[in-house]
Amino acid sequence: DAKTTQPPSMDCAEGRAANLPCNHSTISGNEYVYWYRQIHSQGPQYIIHGLKNNETNEMASLIITEDRKSSTLILPHATLRDTAVYYCIVRAPFRSNDYKLSFGAGTTVTVRA
Amino acid sequence: ETGVTQTPRHLVMGMTNKKSLKCEQHLGHNAMYWYKQSAKKPLELMFVYSLEERVENNSVPSRFSPECPNSSHLFLHLHTLQPEDSALYLCASSRRITWANTEAFFGQGTRLTVV
Repeated sequence: DAKTTQPPSMDCAEGRAANLPCNHSTISGNEYVYWYRQIHSQGPQYIIHGLKNNETNEMASLIITEDRKSSTLILPHATLRDTAVYYCIVRAPFRSNDYKLSFGAGTTVTVRA
Repeated sequence: ETGVTQTPRHLVMGMTNKKSLKCEQHLGHNAMYWYKQSAKKPLELMFVYSLEERVENNSVPSRFSPECPNSSHLFLHLHTLQPEDSALYLCASSRRITWANTEAFFGQGTRLTVV
């Protein structure tokens, strides 16, 4: 899997948009970008994923640069409940004998009132 | 609510006890996983099941014994654990094992403390 780089932490004001960057400069053409988050003492939660087009769902938007070497997760209106560790993962599909979803250190996002 | 349910949520056990963790999903997924998360460490994959067959065992000590009686249920049997086994144990499922354009759904985890 391609290595990802995320800032270790960031603060965000409640009600404002949170923009979380992720660098994945060694991404391969068939690798997807996934975002998960983990709220303290809970299991990881899937947020969104994409290949090369921008994606949006009820939780967030994912913006992938044209060269696919970086992406940004956007939480449009952050709430206190969005305080969590956010993980950016790059993963290729259709790989046999490699089932691990590898989580790095992620970005600790703290939403402040 | 992710559709993956783990019980119990918290467990305290002695080193000579035998206990089991349970995971259940009714999402129609074919793959189920056990992960371990120790304090300030990344998630560690322990076991992988696809259609009730174990397909990966990441050198996990034999004091951890998984069981997958059907595609909806996964157990982790614990015996003679050590204090360093204290961690958050997470179950996950996915539609299929190859992660092909699909997401994983995680349970809330079981917080295990070995005394």
